[in-house]
Amino acid sequence: KAGVTQTPRYLIKTRGQQVTLSCSPISGHRSVSWYQQTPGQGLQFLFEYFSETQRNKGNFPGRFSGRQFSNSRSEMNVSTLELGDSALYLCASSLGGSTNTEAFFGQGTRLTVV
Amino acid sequence: GENVEQHPSTLSVQEGDSAVIKCTYSDSASNYFPWYKQELGKRPQLIIDIRSNVGEKKDQRIAVTLNKTAKHFSLHITETQPEDSAVYFCAAKADSWGKLQFGAGTQVVVTP
Repeated sequence: KAGVTQTPRYLIKTRGQQVTLSCSPISGHRSVSWYQQTPGQGLQFLFEYFSETQRNKGNFPGRFSGRQFSNSRSEMNVSTLELGDSALYLCASSLGGSTNTEAFFGQGTRLTVV
Repeated sequence: GENVEQHPSTLSVQEGDSAVIKCTYSDSASNYFPWYKQELGKRPQLIIDIRSNVGEKKDQRIAVTLNKTAKHFSLHITETQPEDSAVYFCAAKADSWGKLQFGAGTQVVVTP
C-alpha cells in the first residue's frame, strides 16, 4: 500500500512569488491535513480537508489556502511569499469520518524563500 | 482551543535506561492521543496512540498512560537504544472533526 506522497520535495522561491504544494493521501483516505513545521514553532496546523470541504482552519493568514479534489488529493497554495514562510510543509492523511483514526504523514516539502 | 504542553524539551539517557515524556492538554473533550517519532530529515511516524476509554497501552518497549482527570498523558520507553534517538511529539484531538494539536516536541538522545 503506497504511503502519503508529497511533491515537490524541495522548492526555492523568491519573496513575492506564489507556490503550490501537492499531497496524495493513502488510497481510501478521505481526510488530508496540512502542517507547517519550523524549528521555533514546531508543528502548526494549517487546515484540514475532507470530501473536498475544508473542515478546520488554523491561525494562518489568508495567503495560505488549500483545496481537495474528488480523488482526495489536496493542494495548498501560498501567495505573496515572505521569508518567514520558509519551512517544512507536511501533509497527513487519515480515513476521516465519525471516529478518530490514525494520521500518516508524507515526507514533506521543504520550502525556502529567498 | 486545545493547548498541549510537552516536557522536557530535551532528554539525554544512557543506553538501556528508561525515558519518560509528559504532556498535558487543556480541552477536556480531547479523546485521542497519538505519539509521533521524527528522526532527523524524516517524516513524523506514528509510534503509538491511546483513546480516552483506555488508561494504558503497551507495544513492546513503548507504553503510553493517560490520566483523564488530570488531563495528562505520558510516553514511556524502556531499555532505550541508540536508534530511539529522535524528536518525539505528543498530540491531542477532541473529535474526528477537530484538529490534531501537537506539543512542542522532545529531543531524545540515547548515548551508548
